[in-house]
Amino acid sequence: EPEVTQTPSHQVTQMGQEVILRCVPISNHLYFYWYRQILGQKVEFLVSFYNNEISEKSEIFDDQFSVERPDGSNFTLKIRSTKLEDSAMYFCASSDKWVPNYGYTFGSGTRLTVV
Amino acid sequence: AQSVTQLGSHVSVSEGALVLLRCNYSSSVPPYLFWYVQYPNQGLQLLLKYTTGATLVKGINGFEAEFKKSETSFHLTKPSAHMSDAAEYFCAVSDLFSGTGFQKLVFGTGTRLLVSP
Repeated sequence: EPEVTQTPSHQVTQMGQEVILRCVPISNHLYFYWYRQILGQKVEFLVSFYNNEISEKSEIFDDQFSVERPDGSNFTLKIRSTKLEDSAMYFCASSDKWVPNYGYTFGSGTRLTVV
Repeated sequence: AQSVTQLGSHVSVSEGALVLLRCNYSSSVPPYLFWYVQYPNQGLQLLLKYTTGATLVKGINGFEAEFKKSETSFHLTKPSAHMSDAAEYFCAVSDLFSGTGFQKLVFGTGTRLLVSP
């Protein structure tokens, strides 16, 4: 069964450093998403991406964050200058439809720890 | 905006017992509702979904959920728990962005299901 692949599974970084989280969505999917889950809190929407541009973003997704689909297969989330509060599990997801009755396929997540 | 409430951060059952995980939502429009499961060190896997039609929805691994509009609930059940059901379960509702029609999922805080022998 097709799956969404995320790397690395765990990343530790120092505060102020840049990190790039990588995702390989399912090959025929057109819509891509990032969600995050701070330990003990809800899974929260960050951003959706379609046709090589951001379609929607949450208030969490400030100027520190950016997304890119650099080569037609990878989908990346960059955090320019990490803060302690960026420590969370980050999930990538993709879908081939945008209609709301379709569940996404999620990756297994990247646990980011900022120290 | 939509919201989801999951009662109980932890639910413990014995193997073979009924599993009941509660989910209530608030929605100003007919909702699309989902249950996801997360096994240790794995991603979020779609368990089942309600869109339209039959209010009792069957999913994978013997789970089912019933959409009750009058109670704004979408509780997840399984008649007989198995050790392999131990995982974190998330209820989610689809929320549309006005103007673009793009969707996002709004999740509950999750319920960890513990199954004892």
